[in-house]
Amino acid sequence: GENVEQHPSTLSVQEGDSAVIKCTYSDSASNYFPWYKQELGKGPQLIIDIRSNVGEKKDQRIAVTLNKTAKHFSLHITETQPEDSAVYFCAAPYSSASKIIFGSGTRLSIRP
Amino acid sequence: DAGVTQSPTHLIKTRGQQVTLRCSPISGHKSVSWYQQVLGQGPQFIFQYYEKEERGRGNFPDRFSARQFPNYSSELNVNALLLGDSALYLCASSWSGGAAGNTIYFGEGSWLTVV
Repeated sequence: GENVEQHPSTLSVQEGDSAVIKCTYSDSASNYFPWYKQELGKGPQLIIDIRSNVGEKKDQRIAVTLNKTAKHFSLHITETQPEDSAVYFCAAPYSSASKIIFGSGTRLSIRP
Repeated sequence: DAGVTQSPTHLIKTRGQQVTLRCSPISGHKSVSWYQQVLGQGPQFIFQYYEKEERGRGNFPDRFSARQFPNYSSELNVNALLLGDSALYLCASSWSGGAAGNTIYFGEGSWLTVV
């Protein structure tokens, strides 16, 4: 079946510390894993994505890791800043139906 | 270049009415998808269109319909509105029709309130 599980649902970290959000997926054929950031009242913004032919991808303070064997992928944010506060969604395609399945979201709060 | 644009941004409808939401994809993108996001949840897939043909449909009733035009813009129609249809409706565009491997970009959404 199609399912993407995301943990934790809420995360509070001190400014400057790191934040990690984890997801698991069920469709073995999935080969593309985007992460979206959604601020209040706005649409989801793509912040990073990874394809199944690589295990890790970095973009400045953001990194994503992928373990295809375990069907896990994670978002890592280092040196967190107040503007990182938002809801983050992981997602994976459900290949047979050409659609993206989203996780339930993680509300990240950065404490000053 | 403009991103995915949606209209209207906010609207209020009465139960039983019909609503049409519009979307223009990023220039050069041929695929449009629609998602419903209820407050506090992740977006749920409604439809995908590619080259004016429906490529995927989520678990939504027949009250929901969509179409894609020759210029790749799209409309989502919802008939016989229910209170539970109140949500943020998101349009997403990508270059081609297959979800696997295609970068998908979202618009800011249309907030629909049904009273």
